Amino acid sequence: DAGITQSPRHKVTETGTPVTLRCHQTENHRYMYWYRQDPGHGLRLIHYSYGVKDTDKGEVSDGYSVSRSKTEDFLLTLESATSSQTSVYFCAISDGGGTDTQYFGPGTRLTVL
Amino acid sequence: QKEVEQNSGPLSVPEGAIASLNCTYSDRGSQSFFWYRQYSGKSPELIMFIYSNGDKEDGRFTAQLNKASQYVSLLIRDSQPSDSATYLCAVNERDYKLSFGAGTTVTVRA
Repeated sequence: DAGITQSPRHKVTETGTPVTLRCHQTENHRYMYWYRQDPGHGLRLIHYSYGVKDTDKGEVSDGYSVSRSKTEDFLLTLESATSSQTSVYFCAISDGGGTDTQYFGPGTRLTVL
Repeated sequence: QKEVEQNSGPLSVPEGAIASLNCTYSDRGSQSFFWYRQYSGKSPELIMFIYSNGDKEDGRFTAQLNKASQYVSLLIRDSQPSDSATYLCAVNERDYKLSFGAGTTVTVRA
């Protein structure tokens, strides 16, 4: 498995509270991604990063922000969590080579009450 | 966001049979195509990728790509109960992003 960890692995929080999810990689890959996965929707891209301090929005970025201050860490923040953000969140990494292959972390299950 | 469509499931096949999964995509400029397997409660794991038209074989898995018709398929030969999972098709976009289909769930009956 690619060296990707996510923390926390499970979290229950209340509506309106801020939440930060962390993705950590040991592969020194340039690209990092945050996805959410919901039944019937597959994987949807929230934000991605193409280098330290370089990030861009995906298709479902509203209500989320990200930061990448080091190559190995990519943080996803829900500024004020809502019940619609209850989901499983996956981080992925890619070396940006010709293959575009992405490797996924173990996921974080987030429940917003 | 480019569209990636997968054949609706669930797909149930007897052990030892061939499971056939299909995927179509909307962007003719896509160059890389991926199949991931996801067990329930786990993260997606890469099975194989394909770039060129034709077939690519890896063990019991064969990916088939037809860019003119904009489809990519995955065949699982000699299906085993351990192949029971959801299979995700992914297609590259620009800027090193992938678009994923919703997945097809396969159940292999012993």
